[in-house]
Order: sequence, then C-alpha cells, then structure tokens
Amino acid sequence: EIVLTQSPGTLSLSPGERATLSCRASQSIAGSNLAWYQQKPGQAPRLLIYAASIRATAIDIPDRFSGSGSGTDFTLTISRLEPEDFAVYYCQQYGSSPLYTFGQGTKVEIK
Amino acid sequence: QVQLQESGPGLVKPSETLSLTCTVSGGSISIFYWSWIRQPPGKGPEWIGYIYDSGTTNYNPSLKSRVTISVDTSKNQFSLKLTSVTAADTAVYYCARDRELTYWGQGTLVTVSS
Repeated sequence: EIVLTQSPGTLSLSPGERATLSCRASQSIAGSNLAWYQQKPGQAPRLLIYAASIRATAIDIPDRFSGSGSGTDFTLTISRLEPEDFAVYYCQQYGSSPLYTFGQGTKVEIK
Repeated sequence: QVQLQESGPGLVKPSETLSLTCTVSGGSISIFYWSWIRQPPGKGPEWIGYIYDSGTTNYNPSLKSRVTISVDTSKNQFSLKLTSVTAADTAVYYCARDRELTYWGQGTLVTVSS
C-alpha cells in the first residue's frame, strides 16, 4: 500500500498570496499517476490536477492551479489565492493497483 | 455535460447490506472507469473500488470481501453493494468517473444504525 503524507496540515495565508502544498509518497508512484482535489464543506471533491501536472481543463480549472513532481514528491501550487480557494486539498495516487489511496489533506485557511 | 447522481437508502441497520446506485447522464457508461468513494464525517476520502469495460472490477483490499460493484448498461447505471455493515461504514458515498475521478456525484449520506 502506498501511503501519501501531505504537508503542512494547515496553511494560513492571505488572498493574493502563493500557496505551496506538498504530497510525499511512501514509494514511487507509477506513471506519475497522482491527482489533486479541492473540497469545500458540504461539497464533493473537485479534480484540479491529474497525472501530476495536467490541469483538468475539461472542467474549467483556472490556470492559477499548477502541479509538479514525480516519483515520491509532488507539489500543488496556487499562484495567487482567490477567496474561493480557501478549502481542503487532497492528493490521490491511482498508479498502484489494487489500492488507490488519498492523503490526509491540507487545509488552506484565511490568515 | 456529464452528470452523476447517487441514490439509495440513507439509513441501514447493522449487519445488513448497503445498496447504492449511480445514474450517469451525458455520456455512455460502456467506456471509462466508474468508481465509488466514501468519506466518513470529518475525515478524508477512501477509495472503495471501480468497474470498467462493463465488468472488470478492482476493489480496496480492506473492503474486498464485502464489496460488489456492477453495471447496468441498459439503464446507464452502476451500483455498489456493501454487506455486513457496521457503524464504521457510516459515510457520505460518492460515485465518480475515471481513475483520476474527473466527474463526481453530489454524494449521499448513509448512516448505519439500528
């Protein structure tokens, strides 16, 4: 089983600032099959990034969201935080069958 | 536009079987991966399993002995059955499309209680 560890647990920032979220895997993720999701209270998670760095343009994800990384270390960057970006973010690997695991989440809160 | 909608009982008794259906609109269910995910209150998501190619399945090993995912192409629906439920199975259950979970349903809360 691949364990995903996200850091920090909580990120306190102001609108307009840059957010950098980390996701570290316990072993290398095949094919960089890692996704990032945003979740707001009472809503389903929303796909932001897949294959580590491809923005989900089919569902109109804005270009201030970007992903990078490979192997065991991955990063989600929000270039300039908008008010609607304050939420919980999860990474998920879908490269290692039979178990597709999620990280424990990073909460981005308003400072 | 692809839309998914979960349906099923919101309350299930301990030891009974949880049954949910996901209805897909805006696209054929005969292709793509179709997944179930759950999220206990206040916790992160947990992947349950998927079905693709109208019959090939892959399940979370921790749930495999209790889970069945099936598809009904005539109704453009896929379903989840989870047997022998306990309070630990109380969660919001989501259906989603693709291995990278591009499209999600709104989720349905299932409570296991007598």
